[in-house]
Amino acid sequence: DAGITQSPRHKVTETGTPVTLRCHQTENHRYMYWYRQDPGHGLRLIHYSYGVKDTDKGEVSDGYSVSRSKTEDFLLTLESATSSQTSVYFCAISPAGTNADTQYFGPGTRLTVL
Amino acid sequence: QKEVEQNSGPLSVPEGAIASLNCTYSDRGSQSFFWYRQYSGKSPELIMSIYSNGDKEDGRFTAQLNKASQYVSLLIRDSQPSDSATYLCAVKGVTGGGNKLTFGTGTQLKVEL
Repeated sequence: DAGITQSPRHKVTETGTPVTLRCHQTENHRYMYWYRQDPGHGLRLIHYSYGVKDTDKGEVSDGYSVSRSKTEDFLLTLESATSSQTSVYFCAISPAGTNADTQYFGPGTRLTVL
Repeated sequence: QKEVEQNSGPLSVPEGAIASLNCTYSDRGSQSFFWYRQYSGKSPELIMSIYSNGDKEDGRFTAQLNKASQYVSLLIRDSQPSDSATYLCAVKGVTGGGNKLTFGTGTQLKVEL
């Protein structure tokens, strides 16, 4: 499972509240990613990180921010959750070396915004 | 046009048959291609990666890449009911950095007894 954990695994929240999802990895991988997965859209990249304090936007970054203050943790924040952000969120990592473009996924967080 | 396209299925095959899953992509300069399997309610799991034209075999799985025609396929031999899942194709394009992958929406495979 590439040593990736996500917390919480399930969350129900209300529109307008802030939400932070955590991705934790134990193997010192440089690259980390946040995706959302929705029916009919597949996996879409929200933000990614290529090192501590180094992050960049993906294709669906509006309404999301990220932070990476330590190698092992990549946080995804919804500043003011909306119903359109109801989704399953996956964190992923890329290992170093010859397979650096391969991505391995965490178990996911199911978020419901009422 | 979507960057990575897959037939959503479901693709139904009898147990023991060969399942053929196809994927086309639009970025002609793409160099890295991946197949993931995703069971319902679970996270995507890497099956295979392929980088060069031709076939790459791993057990019952064979990935085929044709860059000139911009398609990549996955063959599953001797299909088993446990192969029933959604198969995601992913492509690393030329533009942008950070090892970003673009995913297709997946093909649902059903292996029937």
